[in-house]
Amino acid sequence: AQKVTQAQTEISVVEKEDVTLDCVYETRDTTYYLFWYKQPPSGELVFLIRRNSFDEQNEISGRYSWNFQKSTSSFNFTITASQVVDSAVYFCALSEAGGSNYKLTFGKGTLLTVNP
Amino acid sequence: DGGITQSPKYLFRKEGQNVTLSCEQNLNHDAMYWYRQDPGQGLRLIYYSQIVNDFQKGDIAEGYSVSREKKESFPLTVTSAQKNPTAFYLCASSLDRTGDNEQFFGPGTRLTVL
Repeated sequence: AQKVTQAQTEISVVEKEDVTLDCVYETRDTTYYLFWYKQPPSGELVFLIRRNSFDEQNEISGRYSWNFQKSTSSFNFTITASQVVDSAVYFCALSEAGGSNYKLTFGKGTLLTVNP
Repeated sequence: DGGITQSPKYLFRKEGQNVTLSCEQNLNHDAMYWYRQDPGQGLRLIYYSQIVNDFQKGDIAEGYSVSREKKESFPLTVTSAQKNPTAFYLCASSLDRTGDNEQFFGPGTRLTVL
């Protein structure tokens, strides 16, 4: 069974600080996909990134970066120079390629609060 | 603009009543999903549909029903059999049901049972 753990329930930082959100996953499949979503106070989930299990390259998009390490089953998300608009709940999610491949399993989310 | 719409944004229901939540997408996606979110929890899958006139139960389907008569529409009915229906409901769609396609989400419906 697949599982996603986001151990940090809440994080509070001051604007301009860097912050890393942790995500640890469990799966028996060799082919799988990892995602990060942002849920601002409005409620709608916003897709941030998808990574497949064969691509361990780190990715940077502006102030956002992702570190995928298969050896530790982790897919961590770092926001550099955080801003108040980054305040949201962030979800990590896992999808397996075979079998019940509809299933997107979410972690419980990390509430990030960026204070001015 | 392509996207997913959900209505209403807020819904109040008396105990014992059925209520239907609307979800429409104009992304031409084959697959659609319904999730439930409770405070401090991740999303849990209620139902999903990969094609018109077909749908499957997710992890927490009891007390819910769906239909998929049109590609763009996937309404969710919360029945009186659902013991604890107060929650935030999110609809999503993806190009198809394979794991490598990201799901796009609607703005959600917050259901409160009075």
